[in-house]
Amino acid sequence: AQSVTQPDIHITVSEGASLELRCNYSYGATPYLFWYVQSPGQGLQLLLKYFSGDTLVQGIKGFEAEFKRSQSSFNLRKPSVHWSDAAEYFCAGKAAGNKLTFGGGTRVLVKP
Amino acid sequence: GAVVSQHPSWVICKSGTSVKIECRSLDFQATTMFWYRQFPKQSLMLMATSNEGSKATYEQGVEKDKFLINHASLTLSTLTVTSAHPEDSSFYICSAREVTGELFFGEGSRLTVL
Repeated sequence: AQSVTQPDIHITVSEGASLELRCNYSYGATPYLFWYVQSPGQGLQLLLKYFSGDTLVQGIKGFEAEFKRSQSSFNLRKPSVHWSDAAEYFCAGKAAGNKLTFGGGTRVLVKP
Repeated sequence: GAVVSQHPSWVICKSGTSVKIECRSLDFQATTMFWYRQFPKQSLMLMATSNEGSKATYEQGVEKDKFLINHASLTLSTLTVTSAHPEDSSFYICSAREVTGELFFGEGSRLTVL
């Protein structure tokens, strides 16, 4: 079955430190992959997406993600976290023509 | 980027009443919109796919008579929770698919049923 897994439910990071959020996918072929951010009580905002080509994808707000086929992963990274990055982050996948499937989400807490 | 707006953003209703939530694509036409439900501290679960001018396609386990979806125009889809009960309390989010295929999400509607 097609699925997206985020192994970490919560991550706490100090402001200014680096952040990496894990995402693993299980699809028959390489899916389209996305990272979204959700602030409390808000909808979702697209951070970045991967369809094909360069495996390192740059997104908004200083985020980047790397697609690794050998590890079935699409981890999200940010070199230096700001307090405003505290939010819920969702990885999502979609096979061509199919529906978007979300991972369980990772809640990021930022310590001053 | 394209904007999707939901209304109301927050609604409280009595048990047994019906509540309508609107999802509008403000600056683009969306032939397809999606409705998701999100429980506290959980992920988004797709409820149904709404296609303009045709019946919605519901995911397994979603009661179509409980959650009525209408997509009457290219910019508006509505979700009506009929005879709402406390277990229907949740955060409902819509998304609209632009012609490029990209999805844009609304800001969500929080329903509380007393």
